[in-house]
Parts: sequence; C-alpha cells; structure tokens
Amino acid sequence: SQTIHQWPATLVQPVGSPLSLECTVEGTSNPNLYWYRQAAGRGLQLLFYSVGIGQISSEVPQNLSASRPQDRQFILSSKKLLLSDSGFYLCAVEGAHSYNEQFFGPGTRLTVL
Amino acid sequence: GNSVTQMEGPVTLSEEAFLTINCTYTATGYPSLFWYVQYPGEGLQLLLKATKADDKGSNKGFEATYRKETTSFHLEKGSVQVSDSAVYFCALSEGYSGAGSYQLTFGKGTKLSVIP
Repeated sequence: SQTIHQWPATLVQPVGSPLSLECTVEGTSNPNLYWYRQAAGRGLQLLFYSVGIGQISSEVPQNLSASRPQDRQFILSSKKLLLSDSGFYLCAVEGAHSYNEQFFGPGTRLTVL
Repeated sequence: GNSVTQMEGPVTLSEEAFLTINCTYTATGYPSLFWYVQYPGEGLQLLLKATKADDKGSNKGFEATYRKETTSFHLEKGSVQVSDSAVYFCALSEGYSGAGSYQLTFGKGTKLSVIP
C-alpha cells in the first residue's frame, strides 16, 4: 500500500524567507503527485500536480514553485514567503489501482509571521 | 467548469443524533463522487465513494447515494459519535483530465462537532 511522508510537520517562518516542503511516497512507482493548500475557511486549493520527473503543472499563479527531482519526491518551494502563504499544505498521490482516488499525506502547517 | 457545493458549517450535534451533510455538484460529464474526512491536525482520508448513478458508498456507518437527477451526494449517518467530530469534504473527479492526471474538485468542507 502507498505511504506518504511530509516534512516538516509544522513550520514558522518570517515574511521574505525561503521555503522548502518535502513530500515522499512509498509503495508505488511513477505516481501522479499533487500539492494542495488549505487556508482557514477556504477549503482545498490545488497548487501543482506532476505526472513524472521534471513535469510540473501549475494551477494558480503565486510565488510558490514545485519540483520533482525523483520519481517519488515532490518539493514545494518559495524564494520569499508572504503572509498569505500561511496554511496547511497537503501532498497527495493518485491511487495505484483506483486512478481517480487520491491519498493524502499528514500535511505541513506553515505559519508566516 | 466543475464545482462542488457543500452546506455551510459548522454543524453541532449531540451524540446519537442523525447527520446529514448536503453536497451538490456541477460537472459536464459523469463524475465519480467522494467524501473525505479530516480529523483535527491530520491530512484527508477517503471516507467513501461512488462511481456511477444510484451507487451507494458506505463506510464506518456513513452512507451517500449518487443521485444524478438531483446532482447530489449527501452524506448521512444514523447515529453520530464524539469521534466523528471532523471536517468533511465532498469531491468529484471527472476522470482523465487530458494532462496525464485525474484531478479532484473539492467543496469547501463542513466542520462537524459532536457533543456528549
């Protein structure tokens, strides 16, 4: 079965600082991977998805970027954080046998001060 | 485009009360429908799903029936427990997006609090 790891679990960063959040997946190969942000009272917003190494699709314009350096690694980054980047960031992997299902990691709580 | 509308929360119920969380959707084709649950401080977990009209998804005492005629997928449970306190998300997937992925569209979530 698939296992999704995210770290760090929580992060407090000052405005203008860089960001790197990591997501790794076990138990599957060549997965489709997703980054979501959950802001207070706003539900889930799809930020990026990736169908393979080096392939990134962006859903919304923002000061965030994503990279996929390895098959089972998905990284969310920023060069300069904004206050509005605060939220709960979730990584998800598409089901290996049920393609229209997604399975979520434990999330990273980011607070930008 | 696709969209999912859930009833606004928060919803507060007493233990053993009946639960309904309404969900309606807009889609151009024939989507699969999902309910996800998020317990405090955790990621989302798939609760149940239905892939075609009139299918009933069920899990842990929760049920939802795919109603194509009313474009709805309401979540129900006959007797809630304190441990059901969580945020519930309705979602749809219309299948292959053409970009190599199956994308989910989520509702905004409904927070449920169950009090003893």
